[in-house]
This record gives sequence, structure tokens and C-alpha cells, in this order.
Amino acid sequence: SQTIHQWPATLVQPVGSPLSLECTVEGTSNPNLYWYRQAAGRGLQLLFYSVGIGQISSEVPQNLSASRPQDRQFILSSKKLLLSDSGFYLCAWTNKGLAQGEQYFGPGTRLTVT
Amino acid sequence: GESVGLHLPTLSVQEGDNSIINCAYSNSASDYFIWYKQESGKGPQFIIDIRSNMDKRQGQRVTVLLNKTVKHLSLQIAATQPGDSAVYFCAENGSGGSYIPTFGRGTSLIVHP
Repeated sequence: SQTIHQWPATLVQPVGSPLSLECTVEGTSNPNLYWYRQAAGRGLQLLFYSVGIGQISSEVPQNLSASRPQDRQFILSSKKLLLSDSGFYLCAWTNKGLAQGEQYFGPGTRLTVT
Repeated sequence: GESVGLHLPTLSVQEGDNSIINCAYSNSASDYFIWYKQESGKGPQFIIDIRSNMDKRQGQRVTVLLNKTVKHLSLQIAATQPGDSAVYFCAENGSGGSYIPTFGRGTSLIVHP
């Protein structure tokens, strides 16, 4: 069966510090991968998606970046965090082989920038 | 989209009542729709889906209705339980096998015992 992991689960970082959030998927190959951010009591904002290794598309211009060094690994990074980067970060994957299919979400990372 | 910055609407119901959560979508070419449930502090989880060639689909205690004429989707939960308290999101996949879903604003369902 497929599983998706995110770490860390929670993170408190000062403004201006770097960020690295990691997401890995098990039990599937060549998935589409996604990073979302969710502010408290708000909807899902798509940040990045990837259809393959080294292929990253950005949906929202900001101080975040994403990388996909391996097929089932997706990393969200920042060189200098802003207060507005606080939120709940969710990684998700879909099966590229299906024309229609749901997204599978990870457990999320709660980031607080102080 | 712009809706991600808005507070979620809230639906409060009594335990045992039926709940109806609504969602409007914008892309008339969308051919696949999904409802997700997100419990507090967790990632969204799939509940039920429906394809555009259907107007109704039933699961366990849940029914999704699709009205393509007015681009409206609804999720009905029968005999709502406290464990149903969560945020519910609808999502649409664009036509042509688009892999970028568009999520609705979300609705917070609160079930009172």
C-alpha cells in the first residue's frame, strides 16, 4: 500500500532563518507531487507541483522554493523565512497513470515563524 | 484562487440530523469531482468522487449530487455524528486529464451532541 510521510510534524523558526520540509512517498512510482499551504481556518493554496524528477512548477511567486531530487521525494525550502510563511504545509501525490483520481495527502507540517 | 484567503463558512447541526454541504465550481469542462474531509491538524482525506457523466453517487452515509447545469456540487451526510465534525472541501479536476485540481473554499461542519 502507498504511504506518504512528512517531517517534521511541527516546527518553530525565527524570522530570517532557513527552512527545509521533506515529503516522501512509498509504494508507488513516478507520482505527481504537490505542496500546499493552509493558513489557520482557511482553504488550500497550491504552492508547487512536480510531474517528475527535477521538474518543478510554481503556482505562487514567493520566497519559497521546491525541489525533487528523487522520484518519491519532494522538498520545500526557504532561505529566509517571513512571518507570513507560518501555516500548515501539506504534501500530496496523485497517480499519474490515472486520468482521474484523488490526491493523497500527508499528515502535514505545522510551521510557526516567530 | 482568491478564496483561499477567506474564512471558512460554518455549518452547525445536531447529532442525528442530515447535513448538506454545498460547493459551486467554475469550470464547465471539469469532468471529475471529489469531496475531501479534513479533521483538525490532519491532512485532507478522500470521501467520495463523482464523474461528470453521473448526477448522483452514494457511499456509506454520504451522497454526492452533481448539477452540471448550474455548476453545483453537494455532499449529503446522513445521521451526522460528532466524528463528522471537520472541514469539507470539494475539488474539481479540469478536463483533458488535468493534474492540477481546483479546491473549493471549504466548509467547517460542527456537530453538536
